[in-house]
Amino acid sequence: EEELVESGGGLVQPGRSLRLSCTASGFTFGDYVMSWVRQAPGKGLEWVGFIRSKSYGGTAEYAASVKGRVTISRDDSRNIAYLQINSPKTEDTAMYYCTRDFYYFESSTYYSYLLWYFELWGRGTLVAVSS
Amino acid sequence: QSVLTQTPSASATAGQRITISCSGSSSNIGSYTVNWYQQVPGTAPKLLISTTSQRPSGVPDRFSGSKSGTSASLAISGLQSEDEADYYCAAWDDSLNAWMFGGGTKVSVL
Repeated sequence: EEELVESGGGLVQPGRSLRLSCTASGFTFGDYVMSWVRQAPGKGLEWVGFIRSKSYGGTAEYAASVKGRVTISRDDSRNIAYLQINSPKTEDTAMYYCTRDFYYFESSTYYSYLLWYFELWGRGTLVAVSS
Repeated sequence: QSVLTQTPSASATAGQRITISCSGSSSNIGSYTVNWYQQVPGTAPKLLISTTSQRPSGVPDRFSGSKSGTSASLAISGLQSEDEADYYCAAWDDSLNAWMFGGGTKVSVL
């Protein structure tokens, strides 16, 4: 069965870093783009960022709200994606979900074509930032 | 204030049809496909509709998606009690270089 399991959440003090993990099973992890999406208590969904598969360069991109404070990485040999949050703020308190993405992108001088959606979600890990 | 605008709530009696709208702009819905996610309270979101109108395997054909210009819609026909959930639209925005989600629509079955 294809599955994503997040871990590493908990209570963290403002300014103390934490690293979340997303462990994948049941599929070839290295073939996929992976994203992180968060949801503050009682609020809607917010995209945090994504990391490309090696076939697309393996680089990561981030939402403006977290850029410079978070780092997404992956270890394809262990089937794990990571989200490191540096100097967390109280507004980072949220449930953090990782997703496996269907991602297809091609471009030329004259056009670009993107098909992308979050096709598989984990159950999430809760991060509470408080002193 | 979300870049994609959804009505906060919608309700109908069991068996009826309900439509949820998602309004965006030329940099998101106007240029890219729209996806819809269903989140039953206390659980993780689940992909409901991909690439504007495609149902993943296992999603009942009561759910359908469409798009016109810079707006998208999710329709649920033959509403059932298990459809009570929050529904989110999402689209890539190329002016912000980010995924945008709507604020969510809470569907209640009367």
